[in-house]
Amino acid sequence: DVKVTQSSRYLVKRTGEKVFLECVQDMDHENMFWYRQDPGLGLRLIYFSYDVKMKEKGDIPEGYSVSREKKERFSLILESASTNQTSMYLCASRLSGGETQYFGPGTRLLVL
Amino acid sequence: SQKIEQNSEALNIQEGKTATLTCNYTNYSPAYLQWYRQDPGRGPVFLLLIRENEKEKRKERLKVTFDTTLKQSLFHITASQPADSATYLCALGSSASKIIFGSGTRLSIRP
Repeated sequence: DVKVTQSSRYLVKRTGEKVFLECVQDMDHENMFWYRQDPGLGLRLIYFSYDVKMKEKGDIPEGYSVSREKKERFSLILESASTNQTSMYLCASRLSGGETQYFGPGTRLLVL
Repeated sequence: SQKIEQNSEALNIQEGKTATLTCNYTNYSPAYLQWYRQDPGRGPVFLLLIRENEKEKRKERLKVTFDTTLKQSLFHITASQPADSATYLCALGSSASKIIFGSGTRLSIRP
C-alpha cells in the first residue's frame, strides 16, 4: 500500500513565523502535490512537483514556496505565516503518468 | 473558467436506501473523472475512476456514471450503511499533470 505521511497533524504558529510542512511518500512516486482545503472551497492546488528538484506553481502559490531535494520528500514552506493561511494542508503523491493521487492525513495549521 | 459543482453540500438519507451524489462541470473537457471519500480529519481516499469513453463503472455497492454531453457524473451507493457517512469529492483530470477537485458532498446515513 502507498503510504504518504505528513510531519504534523496539528500545528499552531504565530503570525510572521516561518513554517515548514513536510511530506514523505514511500512508493517511489515521481509526482507530488500540496493542497489546502477550506470549507466550501474544496481542495486548491498550491504547488506540485513532477520530479526531484522540479516544481510548478498551482492555483494559489502566493505566500508559499516548496522544496524537493529528494524524490520521497516534498516540503511546503510558509515564509511568513499569516492568519489567512490557517487551513488544512494536504500532501499527495502519484506515479508519473498515473491518474490516482494518494493523500497524506493532512496537517491542520492554525496561525494566530 | 473551469468549474466543478457538487450541488449538494450535505445529503441525509435512511440506511438501506440508495444515495445519489451529483457532480457537474463547465468549461472543461476531462479525460477522466474520479470519486474520493474523505473522513473527518483525514485525507481523501480514491474510490473509482471513469474515463470519458465509459458510461458506467461499478465496484461492489458503488456505481458511477459519466455523461460528457450533460457534463455530469452521478455517484450511487446502494444499500447504504452508517459507515458510508463521509464527504465525497469528485475530481476531473484532462492530462497526467493535475486534477481539479469539487468542494464535496457530506453524506450522512441515519440508522
